[in-house]
Amino acid sequence: KQEVTQIPAALSVPEGENLVLNCSFTDSAIYNLQWFRQDPGKGLTSLLLIQSSQREQTSGRLNASLDKSSGRSTLYIAASQPGDSATYLCAATGANSKLTFGKGITLSVRP
Amino acid sequence: KAGVTQTPRYLIKTRGQQVTLSCSPISGHRSVSWYQQTPGQGLQFLFEYFSETQRNKGNFPGRFSGRQFSNSRSEMNVSTLELGDSALYLCASSLEGQGVSGAFFGQGTRLTVV
Repeated sequence: KQEVTQIPAALSVPEGENLVLNCSFTDSAIYNLQWFRQDPGKGLTSLLLIQSSQREQTSGRLNASLDKSSGRSTLYIAASQPGDSATYLCAATGANSKLTFGKGITLSVRP
Repeated sequence: KAGVTQTPRYLIKTRGQQVTLSCSPISGHRSVSWYQQTPGQGLQFLFEYFSETQRNKGNFPGRFSGRQFSNSRSEMNVSTLELGDSALYLCASSLEGQGVSGAFFGQGTRLTVV
């Protein structure tokens, strides 16, 4: 059974800092890994999708990497801004097309 | 291109009642999945429908059911509501399945059972 872990559960950083959010998964047989952003009381916004054959994806100030062999993915946020404050979730898609989510990391960027 | 639309956005129901939630996927997407999100359990998979057939199912009691129509719109029904069913219910739309093209989520339906 796939388990996805995100540690720490919360993170507070000053504006402008570069930061890395970590995601680990137990079963390396995944189709892809997605990173999502969730604002309070809202749905999930897809940030980046990394297929199992890829090593990384980039979108603007965001860069996500995937290392299947070690069961890890990281989301790098460059030059963080207060508007980046949200909960970030990673999800691994298994062979049955089911997403397994981590509990998320709540990020607070202080002005 | 319109995103995933969930209706209603908010619901308040009484214990023992039943409720139906609706999800309209992105045009052309054939897969719709449903998730329950609570502070304690996080996001949990309910079921996935693809071309009107249930393809996958999570570990939820039979009170939770769903269906998908020929236009790919999906409905989720919860019967005999319990207080613990209070949650944010999210649906995700995908072109062929989440394993291929990723998942795109709606804004969710906030269900409160009193």
